[in-house]
Amino acid sequence: DAKTTQPPSMDCAEGRAANLPCNHSTISGNEYVYWYRQIHSQGPQYIIHGLKNNETNEMASLIITEDRKSSTLILPHATLRDTAVYYCIVRPLMYLIFGKGTKLSVKP
Amino acid sequence: DAGVIQSPRHEVTEMGQEVTLRCKPISGHDYLFWYRQTMMRGLELLIYFNNNVPIDDSGMPEDRFSAKMPNASFSTLKIQPSEPRDSAVYFCASSPVGRGNQETQYFGPGTRLLVL
Repeated sequence: DAKTTQPPSMDCAEGRAANLPCNHSTISGNEYVYWYRQIHSQGPQYIIHGLKNNETNEMASLIITEDRKSSTLILPHATLRDTAVYYCIVRPLMYLIFGKGTKLSVKP
Repeated sequence: DAGVIQSPRHEVTEMGQEVTLRCKPISGHDYLFWYRQTMMRGLELLIYFNNNVPIDDSGMPEDRFSAKMPNASFSTLKIQPSEPRDSAVYFCASSPVGRGNQETQYFGPGTRLLVL
């Protein structure tokens, strides 16, 4: 079973930051937090991952709380093409266990 | 790099027929994963390989499903006989061996299977 809890849906205005929360209160010390997204039934696309430090790449930023029980994915300037289902995954193993994710709708 | 390649992209077949899905992982990747996505169950792992050897097949639904990886650049997922409940999108993914659960998995575009 997925070890994460995410809101089922969120809206964001185009050009604004999208902040997607994730709860992972049972995370263990060696488990990474991964974020993937899936645009309209395409293959899931990797976004970012982290262990305990905040991470940033060209797509997004990942903020992990100090106790590691929750995290937030930030898309700094959302565009219409960012409309997708976003999955937060706690990953202890080689394979990924997907939950239901958050359906993010970016609106003009 | 071409990424993970899957074929066919769409497959429509009749109940009872054999179906073979194909995957070519990214060159140099040692891990290959097969996932299935349905409305009811979401995305779930079926099986994964390391260096062409199946490591965990606990997600394979039943004996009608089989997967092989004869070499590092090719894998198949076969369903025989197919049933309507097998209708789903099947994704293949690969990752390098690197640092275990720190390595990124790259997904293919998927095969959309419809069994009538």
